Amino acid sequence: DQQVKQNSPSLSVQEGRISILNCDYTNSMFDYFLWYKKYPAEGPTFLISISSIKDKNEDGRFTVFLNKSAKHLSLHIVPSQPGDSAVYFCAAQTGTASKLTFGTGTRLQVTL
Amino acid sequence: DTGVSQDPRHKITKRGQNVTFRCDPISEHNRLYWYRQTLGQGPEFLTYFQNEAQLEKSRLLSDRFSAERPKGSFSTLEIQRTEQGDSAMYLCASSLGKGGRTEAFFGQGTRLTVV
Repeated sequence: DQQVKQNSPSLSVQEGRISILNCDYTNSMFDYFLWYKKYPAEGPTFLISISSIKDKNEDGRFTVFLNKSAKHLSLHIVPSQPGDSAVYFCAAQTGTASKLTFGTGTRLQVTL
Repeated sequence: DTGVSQDPRHKITKRGQNVTFRCDPISEHNRLYWYRQTLGQGPEFLTYFQNEAQLEKSRLLSDRFSAERPKGSFSTLEIQRTEQGDSAMYLCASSLGKGGRTEAFFGQGTRLTVV
């Protein structure tokens, strides 16, 4: 039972353009969401998070949007840079649990 | 502080052997997590410690798996009688559990190959 879903296994975007990565969840108890970036042979690195009481959080080139009614969140990267090429994981957490539930990831390729 | 450290980075073992991995969390972090990641999947939760207490274990963690965190510092994950299905990346993460939400910081992982 995949509670956090990333339906696009890969995405290719030109440098300078916007990258939009999507994530859907099924568990309505999730109230905190995070995005992690992962390079090959490294552990995931925290990128940005959002609480369910907000619908947007911004940090530099990265913005996360949350649509609770649709159980959907998205990560926007603008402008995209070649160094952003990595696998991006969406993760979710409930108020009563400390563990993270991850999606299967989206591989982003930023081309020149 | 150098972040979360895991040892070894790679381990190749024969089926049936026991293996042990070590994780050193960020020093002031009281929460420590173990995850497992297989190809094409996201990390899957295995177990979680707050200080030295193991507070949650996933049903993925069979009887062959055991984790400890003596004195609430480093942690070890042991797999007994390894099977080929245990081949995966084992990730450790730590966080500072103090009131509000804080993100978990991951180590580089230990890649286990069971032959």
